[in-house]
Amino acid sequence: DAGVTQSPTHLIKTRGQQVTLRCSPKSGHDTVSWYQQALGQGPQFIFQYYEEEERQRGNFPDRFSGHQFPNYSSELNVNALLLGDSALYLCASSIGGPSGGAADTQYFGPGTRLTVL
Amino acid sequence: DQQVKQNSPSLSVQEGRISILNCDYTNSMFDYFLWYKKYPAEGPTFLISISSIKDKNEDGRFTVFLNKSAKHLSLHIVPSQPGDSAVYFCAATPFYYGGSQGNLIFGKGTKLSVKP
Repeated sequence: DAGVTQSPTHLIKTRGQQVTLRCSPKSGHDTVSWYQQALGQGPQFIFQYYEEEERQRGNFPDRFSGHQFPNYSSELNVNALLLGDSALYLCASSIGGPSGGAADTQYFGPGTRLTVL
Repeated sequence: DQQVKQNSPSLSVQEGRISILNCDYTNSMFDYFLWYKKYPAEGPTFLISISSIKDKNEDGRFTVFLNKSAKHLSLHIVPSQPGDSAVYFCAATPFYYGGSQGNLIFGKGTKLSVKP
């Protein structure tokens, strides 16, 4: 059973460019969350997608946008890249429906290392 | 302002001894707490969690304790092994959407080194 996968592994862009990162959730999971982890910091929540809609959003500008496809995979798009966008971008998947049970654990992929020059 | 704090950036422990990692939080709305372990070049791996209705949860060598009145939780690893050397993140979330996890709020992590 494949876990959460992300592509690409590494990416180098220049300021002002746009980037798209991709994520495939763990089998059976329908919810995808994206996090940004800067060096020496914990992951910071960007947004969460469920049923192809953005369900929650963290404190990130509109330059950060996303999409979820019918097969539950997801993309993170960042426009007008800044040097400060250099970070590890993590995708996490979980079961997000109203299960009525306990919170469902988010499982993380290996991340995409984005470097903005 | 950080809502989840891990005040010790690093911890060094001898193999076979107990490792205790601490975490404090400020938001009384947090209802569910998790610990993740992260190796270099990998994503965080879920370790153990605890709901606010409990004060202790065990899974093998790992035990998490929650003190709601003090807004404090700790992760105990007994006995510690060299393979436990990693960065440990504490995370918290309030319940959303009928019980499903929403936004996880992470601490900055504690780097644990277990020496043989």
